[in-house]
Amino acid sequence: KQEVTQIPAALSVPEGENLVLNCSFTDSAIYNLQWFRQDPGKGLTSLLLIQSSQREQTSGRLNASLDKSSGRSTLYIAASQPGDSATYLCAVRRQNYGQNFVFGPGTRLSVLP
Amino acid sequence: GAVVSQHPSRVICKSGTSVKIECRSLDFQATTMFWYRQFPKQSLMLMATSNEGSKATYEQGVEKDKFLINHASLTLSTLTVTSAHPEDSSFYICSATRSTGQNTEAFFGQGTRLTVV
Repeated sequence: KQEVTQIPAALSVPEGENLVLNCSFTDSAIYNLQWFRQDPGKGLTSLLLIQSSQREQTSGRLNASLDKSSGRSTLYIAASQPGDSATYLCAVRRQNYGQNFVFGPGTRLSVLP
Repeated sequence: GAVVSQHPSRVICKSGTSVKIECRSLDFQATTMFWYRQFPKQSLMLMATSNEGSKATYEQGVEKDKFLINHASLTLSTLTVTSAHPEDSSFYICSATRSTGQNTEAFFGQGTRLTVV
């Protein structure tokens, strides 16, 4: 059974810092991994999607890496801003049909001005 | 902009009544949509897979008679919580997958906060 964990559970940093969020999964047989952002009481916003054959994806100040063999992904946020405050979820997808997402519990990030 | 729209964003209902939540894919057709439930400070749990033109597939432990799913068109799936009880209060989120070439990406609705009083 696929299990996804995220460390840390919560993180508070001053504005401007670079930070790394970690995601681990137990079964390396994944189709892709996706990082999402969730603001309180809101739905999910897709940040980055990494296919199993890829090692990293970048979008603006965000960079996500994937090491499928070790079951790890990291989300790097450069020059953090207060607007980055949210919960960040990683989710792994096992198959290319259906959805079969397994979500991690999330990391609650607070960026202090 | 949003590619999956969910409505309503918030609903309060009395115990014993039914509530319908709509999920629409805005600029693509989705033969399959997905319904998730999220309890406070917990992650999302898949409830069911909604299939256009056929019956939904429910995850283990999810009551199909309580959570009725209808996927009548390629852009609309509805989740009806029947005879709602306070323990059904939760955050419900729908999702649809859009294919681009050989890759597929999931998009989520804004979520619906259901409170049963």
